[in-house]
Order: sequence, then C-alpha cells, then structure tokens
Amino acid sequence: DIVMTQSPDSLAVSLGERATIKCKSSQSVLHSSNKKNYLAWYQQKPGQPPKLLIYWASTRESGVPDRFSGGASGTDFTLTISSLQAEDVAVYYCQHYHSIPWTFGQGTKVEIK
Amino acid sequence: EVQLLESGGDLVQPGGSLRLSCAASGFTFSNYAMSWVRQAPGKGLEWVSAISGSGPDGINTYYVDSVKGRFTISRDDSRDTLFLQMNSLRAEDTAVYYCAKDHGLGGGSTFDYWGQGTLVTVSP
Repeated sequence: DIVMTQSPDSLAVSLGERATIKCKSSQSVLHSSNKKNYLAWYQQKPGQPPKLLIYWASTRESGVPDRFSGGASGTDFTLTISSLQAEDVAVYYCQHYHSIPWTFGQGTKVEIK
Repeated sequence: EVQLLESGGDLVQPGGSLRLSCAASGFTFSNYAMSWVRQAPGKGLEWVSAISGSGPDGINTYYVDSVKGRFTISRDDSRDTLFLQMNSLRAEDTAVYYCAKDHGLGGGSTFDYWGQGTLVTVSP
C-alpha cells in the first residue's frame, strides 16, 4: 500500500499570510501512461464532509478560490494557501488515487495565529 | 444539484450486521463509480470500498484489506442508490461512513461530492 505522510500535523498562520502543507507518498503516484500525478487535496471543516480542492496534484476543482494551489516534485507534494482567510480554518488531507487501496494522509490542522 | 444522502447507521453489537444506503440525485448515477469512505471519531479519512459505474465491462468492486470478506458494496441503478452491507462488525469499524461520488477523471478515484455521513457504532 502507498503510505501518505503529511507535515506538519498542525500549523497556525496569521490572517493574510501563506500556509504550506506537505505530503509525501511512499512510492511514486505518477502514472506512466499520462504523466499525471494521481494526488488530490481535500478540506474538511468541523462537522462537515470533506471538500475536494485539488486533483492531478495541481488542478483546482471548479469554484475553489485561486489562493489554493498544489505543487509536486517527485513523491513530494504541497498545498499552499497564499493568503490565509478565516474561512480556511480546517483540516486538510492529501489522497492518492494511483492504485488500490486509495489512501489519505493523516491530516493537517490549519488554525489562525 | 448533486445530492448524496446516507442512511442506515446505528448502534450494533460486535459480530452484528448493518446495511448502509446512499440515495443519489442530480447526476446520471449509473455512469459514475461510487465509494464509501469512513472516519473514526476524531480521526482521519479511510477509503473503504468502491464500485465501478455500470459500463460495458460489467461492474467491478474494490475493498480495503481490513473489510474484505466482511463488507459488500453494491448499487441499484434503477433506484440511484448505493449500498454497503457490513457483516461481522468489529469495534474498529466504528466511524462516520460517507458516500462519495467519483469525479469521473478516469483511472483511480477522487471524490467530488460527498454525503453528510451516517454514524456506525459497534459496541456491546
């Protein structure tokens, strides 16, 4: 199974500042057929189901603000919130969908400093 | 508007059974793979099972190892409903179970719509 490891477990960022979350996969999630990384990011607010933010490691889902961006380098992935807003307080999860079983990272809690 | 509405969660004793349902609307249900994803209280997300859309190659099902042989995923496209039959339940199956729609990107699944979840509690 591919293990997804996120860091940090939590971070506190001032409003308007940048927040960066990292996710590392235990093996490549790049598909040779289409050269795409099978990596997604979700946001989960308390008492709500997760919301898809990013897929293919860097493609924003429709309706997601452009302050959210995803990056990739080998087996290392990042989710960046360029200017943290109060409504971005949540737990963020990465997920690979390269091969069964699809697995999630343990989550990163983002709070306001 | 896409909507997914889970039901069937309950308190059940270890070794018991439960059947979860997910009623879908707002999209052509038969065209999309669907999954169940669970979240234990205060914990992270765990993909549990998936079922392919109803295509010419037939329907395929997939499971995480921890539920293989105990859980069965199925779908009724005539009723736009997804099911999860859960047998031989264990305490570690206690979680909120979410129904999630496949994004339809091809290959593996990302989940673009989620239900609100239904709570399964396994306890004596």
